[in-house]
Amino acid sequence: QVQLVQSGAEVKKSGASVRVSCKASGYSFVGNYMHWVRQAPGQGLEWMAWINPNTGGSDSAQKFKGRVTLTRDTSISTAYLELSGLRSDDTAVYYCVKSWGNSYGDYWGQGTLVTVSS
Amino acid sequence: DIVMTQSPDSLAVSLGERATINCKSSQTLLYRSNYKTYLGWFQQKPGQPPKLLIYWASTRESGVPDRFSGSGSGTDFTLTISNLQAEDVAVYYCQQYFTTPWTFGQGTRVEI
Repeated sequence: QVQLVQSGAEVKKSGASVRVSCKASGYSFVGNYMHWVRQAPGQGLEWMAWINPNTGGSDSAQKFKGRVTLTRDTSISTAYLELSGLRSDDTAVYYCVKSWGNSYGDYWGQGTLVTVSS
Repeated sequence: DIVMTQSPDSLAVSLGERATINCKSSQTLLYRSNYKTYLGWFQQKPGQPPKLLIYWASTRESGVPDRFSGSGSGTDFTLTISNLQAEDVAVYYCQQYFTTPWTFGQGTRVEI
């Protein structure tokens, strides 16, 4: 069955960077885009970026350009999100989301809480 | 960006009754080249990631109870939960995947 297992919670200082991993299993990692979505405490869902695991091509929401780096390691079916220049309003649960091909998101990771403190 | 607006923000429904959630997009989600509507519905329970219920506006995901149904076209959509069960208490989100950035409605909290 499809599983997306994310790395554990992180506590970071303002200005630091964080890298979250998402290990995929149960499907073709290179055959489906991976998206990243975050959710601040008590808030709604905010899309951040996508990566094509096959080519490594990626794109991000305008507000994250210059701060987000998406990478992947196809040998271990793992996608990575790195967010730099952390601020207090980056405190959120970060989810990886597998998309069906290049369309709807069908499976979500369990989420990784990133807490940014000053 | 496509703006997604849900209504109501919350609703309370008796067990066994029907819950109706509306979602409106700021532009059409119908992709004319394949006649598919790029709209999904998710359910999120506390402490859990969102779970896909409906995609292509009206296709139920495998394993989702048939009391959940999606309808609508163009810019106006509805999620209906018939015969509401206690385990349906959650926040529900609509989401467009017509283009990136994906955008979500603000969520609708369903209570008993």
